[in-house]
Amino acid sequence: AQTVTQSQPEMSVQEAETVTLSCTYDTSESDYYLFWYKQPPSRQMILVIRQEAYKQQNATENRFSVNFQKAAKSFSLKISDSQLGDAAMYFCAYRSPGAAGNKLTFGGGTRVLVKP
Amino acid sequence: DGGITQSPKYLFRKEGQNVTLSCEQNLNHDAMYWYRQDPGQGLRLIYYSQIVNDFQKGDIAEGYSVSREKKESFPLTVTSAQKNPTAFYLCASKSGTGGIGPYEQYFGPGTRLTVT
Repeated sequence: AQTVTQSQPEMSVQEAETVTLSCTYDTSESDYYLFWYKQPPSRQMILVIRQEAYKQQNATENRFSVNFQKAAKSFSLKISDSQLGDAAMYFCAYRSPGAAGNKLTFGGGTRVLVKP
Repeated sequence: DGGITQSPKYLFRKEGQNVTLSCEQNLNHDAMYWYRQDPGQGLRLIYYSQIVNDFQKGDIAEGYSVSREKKESFPLTVTSAQKNPTAFYLCASKSGTGGIGPYEQYFGPGTRLTVT
């Protein structure tokens, strides 16, 4: 079974600075999808960025980018120019194309604190 | 506006009572999911449904039941058999039922259930 590990329970960053969240996963598959979701205090889960394993190019969405290292099974999220609105829980998630029901497997989350 | 609605936002019940959580989507999505989130943890899959009148158990289905009589609705019943029902419950939906493609799951705002 796939597992997703986020080793940093909490990260703190100064406003306008950069923070990197780590995520590692365990899988024997070669094709899969990875996601970062943000959960602000409202608790609504919001997709931040996604990556397809067959694509070598790292995904980027405005101030959010990933460093996808397939061989190392690592999928880190970099938040640049951090803003107060970035304060939230961030969850890394994995999905296999063949997973029953296309289920997502989530990591335990990393809380990001943004200091003004 | 298209989206997923969950009601109510907060729900209180006495131990031994069954309670039903509502989830409605107008995104015309085929697949729907129920997740449970406990404090400081990631999401765990309870049940999912890929088509009307069909649903499958997820990782923690014991003590829960669902129905899928309409494409847009996927209610979750927390029964008295659920040993520790107090948690945050999130409903999600996804376009299509195939596993190919990085299609995201869209989440509702969640329901906080407290059982005393």
